[in-house]
Amino acid sequence: GENVEQHPSTLSVQEGDSAVIKCTYSDSASNYFPWYKQELGKGPQLIIDIRSNVGEKKDQRIAVTLNKTAKHFSLHITETQPEDSAVYFCAASIGGYQKVTFGIGTKLQVIP
Amino acid sequence: GAVVSQHPSRVICKSGTSVKIECRSLDFQATTMFWYRQFPKQSLMLMATSNEGSKATYEQGVEKDKFLINHASLTLSTLTVTSAHPEDSSFYICSAREGRTNQPQHFGDGTRLSIL
Repeated sequence: GENVEQHPSTLSVQEGDSAVIKCTYSDSASNYFPWYKQELGKGPQLIIDIRSNVGEKKDQRIAVTLNKTAKHFSLHITETQPEDSAVYFCAASIGGYQKVTFGIGTKLQVIP
Repeated sequence: GAVVSQHPSRVICKSGTSVKIECRSLDFQATTMFWYRQFPKQSLMLMATSNEGSKATYEQGVEKDKFLINHASLTLSTLTVTSAHPEDSSFYICSAREGRTNQPQHFGDGTRLSIL
């Protein structure tokens, strides 16, 4: 089955700096890669996703990149703000309609 | 759009009690719903996948008689933890996916279950 590795497990950045979270996946058939943000005591919220037919996608301060050859994908948050502090999960699946395999999560702390 | 409501948000009950958790898709029809369990500071572990009108598919190691899942309509799935014990205490989260292909999962806000 699919295996998703995520790092770092914790990340502290100063407000205004950028944050990068990296993930790798094992199943070359995976073609859908969502990113979720989970705040304390809440369920994960989809913040951005990317499909294998594109290499990069951007939504305001958030961007994701995908390298299918290397099976790497990354989340980039620019101009970080304290409200970006949360746990971020990367995930991979085939088609998006099959079960999703999650990474271990990255706890991001943005220091004011 | 794509709102998933989970209820209750928190349950505290005695050992031996059965607990039902509801998961509703409020503004879309969810042909598939997923149930996850999350331990503190850990990732989400898929327990089972349920398709409307059919039996749930459980992940390896998950007791189907312990965690009963019903997905009787396109907007509602329930998870019943039967005869709950302290080791069943956890954060349970559901997600739902719209029927069309290539649609992402949308998550509820979870249920914190505490068995005394």
